[in-house]
Amino acid sequence: DTAVSQTPKYLVTQMGNDKSIKCEQNLGHDTMYWYKQDSKKFLKIMFSYNNKELIINETVPNRFSPKSPDKAHLNLHINSLELGDSAVYFCASRAGVSWEQYFGPGTRLTVT
Amino acid sequence: LAKTTQPISMDSYEGQEVNITCSHNNIATNDYITWYQQFPSQGPRFIIQGYKTKVTNEVASLFIPADRKSSTLSLPRVSLSDTAVYYCLVAGGGADGLTFGKGTHLIIQP
Repeated sequence: DTAVSQTPKYLVTQMGNDKSIKCEQNLGHDTMYWYKQDSKKFLKIMFSYNNKELIINETVPNRFSPKSPDKAHLNLHINSLELGDSAVYFCASRAGVSWEQYFGPGTRLTVT
Repeated sequence: LAKTTQPISMDSYEGQEVNITCSHNNIATNDYITWYQQFPSQGPRFIIQGYKTKVTNEVASLFIPADRKSSTLSLPRVSLSDTAVYYCLVAGGGADGLTFGKGTHLIIQP
């Protein structure tokens, strides 16, 4: 069983389009994250949700909007895509007081 | 910015013990030290976490001195499959501790 899954794995789209990435975890964790890893391999937190509530909202353009319909899902919608949005986006989750995060396989977004 | 500093790269040979040190001078009282491994085209994988002294699990050990301003990940008897990027992360709440640095690219040779 896949603990943290993301769809799609690859996403190629044109500038100006709107796209969504979905994340699901079957671990029963109450905290979920979105990270962005750029071409230089920096892995930077974007958002964090705890029990469906937004607790971390880093300095990302408001074109990025997360949504957590329930504890097991955290989706990322991106409006008006730009070239600089090209990156790998990782979803992660963790439980309780442990800082052990479980990462998904990533979604490679390419904006042309 | 990440609160940690690690060597950019390290080389070693199969069967050797590898120690990767991370500096985190501004660690807060509530912060925990965690280490992750990342292979190309995969998400990071948790290795170990600790608060102080020494922690050991089936794959690694983590040594943390009393001042907690640094930590050392020890990988015993590495193999070629341990070639990866290793990230040190200081986590205790807030976004600063959830930004990974450049990590250490460990290359294991036969």
